Amino acid sequence: GDSVTQMEGPVTLSEEAFLTINCTYTATGYPSLFWYVQYPGEGLQLLLKATKADDKGSNKGFEATYRKETTSFHLEKGSVQVSDSAVYFCALRETGGFKTIFGAGTRLFVKA
Amino acid sequence: DAGVIQSPRHEVTEMGQEVTLRCKPISGHDYLFWYRQTMMRGLELLIYFNNNVPIDDSGMPEDRFSAKMPNASFSTLKIQPSEPRDSAVYFCASSRGTGTYEQYFGPGTRLTVT
Repeated sequence: GDSVTQMEGPVTLSEEAFLTINCTYTATGYPSLFWYVQYPGEGLQLLLKATKADDKGSNKGFEATYRKETTSFHLEKGSVQVSDSAVYFCALRETGGFKTIFGAGTRLFVKA
Repeated sequence: DAGVIQSPRHEVTEMGQEVTLRCKPISGHDYLFWYRQTMMRGLELLIYFNNNVPIDDSGMPEDRFSAKMPNASFSTLKIQPSEPRDSAVYFCASSRGTGTYEQYFGPGTRLTVT
């Protein structure tokens, strides 16, 4: 079945550092890909999305590019802030379906 | 829009008791999802509905768990009898059946079974 694998955390960075969180997927067809973010005590919220190969999703300085050849959707941000501290989930929506498969989540700590 | 509403936000109960979690999806959304989140197992899809009809309940852990959606604006997840291993945060999410199908999550219900 479809699956999502993302790098284990926690990831600890200093403010203004560059962030990469790796995500790879296994799926048939052409799934839509997502990054969700979960702040402490809250539900998940959509950060960005991409629906087809080579699409780049972006929001709040975060970016991710849908790479079909490497089945990857890595999350990047050029300069992180303390307020970016959260858990980040990579996810895919199965082709032709409505279930969303979530990765295990990667916790990010940003130090001032 | 008020977003997805869940109640209660926290529930503490004793083993063997019945627990009912409630969810009000965003108006106009025709998909509703129930998830469970634990440190050990991460985020698990329990069941989802389309237009109030259960579509896939393969994630429901056992017969102690049941979910209903009597109308488009209300769903419940019931655990009877509850066990300590049911302790988790339970999320409800909703989405439209068109577009990119992004899901909107509620704030969750933290359940503790002692």
